[in-house]
Amino acid sequence: DAKTTQPTSMDCAEGRAANLPCNHSTISGNEYVYWYRQIHSQGPQYIIHGLKNNETNEMASLIITEDRKSSTLILPHATLRDTAVYYCIVRPHYGGSQGNLIFGKGTKLSVKP
Amino acid sequence: DVKVTQSSRYLVKRTGEKVFLECVQDMDHENMFWYRQDPGLGLRLIYFSYDVKMKEKGDIPEGYSVSREKKERFSLILESASTNQTSMYLCASSLDPSGKNIQYFGAGTRLSVL
Repeated sequence: DAKTTQPTSMDCAEGRAANLPCNHSTISGNEYVYWYRQIHSQGPQYIIHGLKNNETNEMASLIITEDRKSSTLILPHATLRDTAVYYCIVRPHYGGSQGNLIFGKGTKLSVKP
Repeated sequence: DVKVTQSSRYLVKRTGEKVFLECVQDMDHENMFWYRQDPGLGLRLIYFSYDVKMKEKGDIPEGYSVSREKKERFSLILESASTNQTSMYLCASSLDPSGKNIQYFGAGTRLSVL
């Protein structure tokens, strides 16, 4: 029950912004949106998370729609090293069995020179 | 930086062997997790632990057990390895059971059972 829908794959030109969409129409009030990525042959890496406000950190920006049914992860200046599978996950903001991360199939982002 | 270290990147074992996968984290995290990752199936949670000597089953615990004798170390045990346990195994840790659900992952162990 991944609860999110993402495109299977996307391409982006090096140096351009990569905008990765995610639909989560059944998100509940206590659930946050998390983004992780997995570079080939490595473990997943946390990127960013948010509840309803837009968020930005050194890696990316997260834009969440007002109704919270969808979000977009933005990598402002994509590099070849950003080629990875990006996972959008919706979960409560605490641990315990309800807080465990469930990874869906993600979006394979290919950054091309 | 948080560091989660898995003892081996690659392992090859024979059917019926007892296999130990070790994971150590250096940030005094409360929670630790073991997942397996298979093509087309994503990550699936095997076991997790919120404290020393405490464990809870995840979604696919059959054929596995775990041990957490010290806070920094979480071991996954395959009592009698089978070919369907050939997979990528990922360990993760997170800080606070009531706080942010941000997990930090190790590099993974690719296990082949022949």
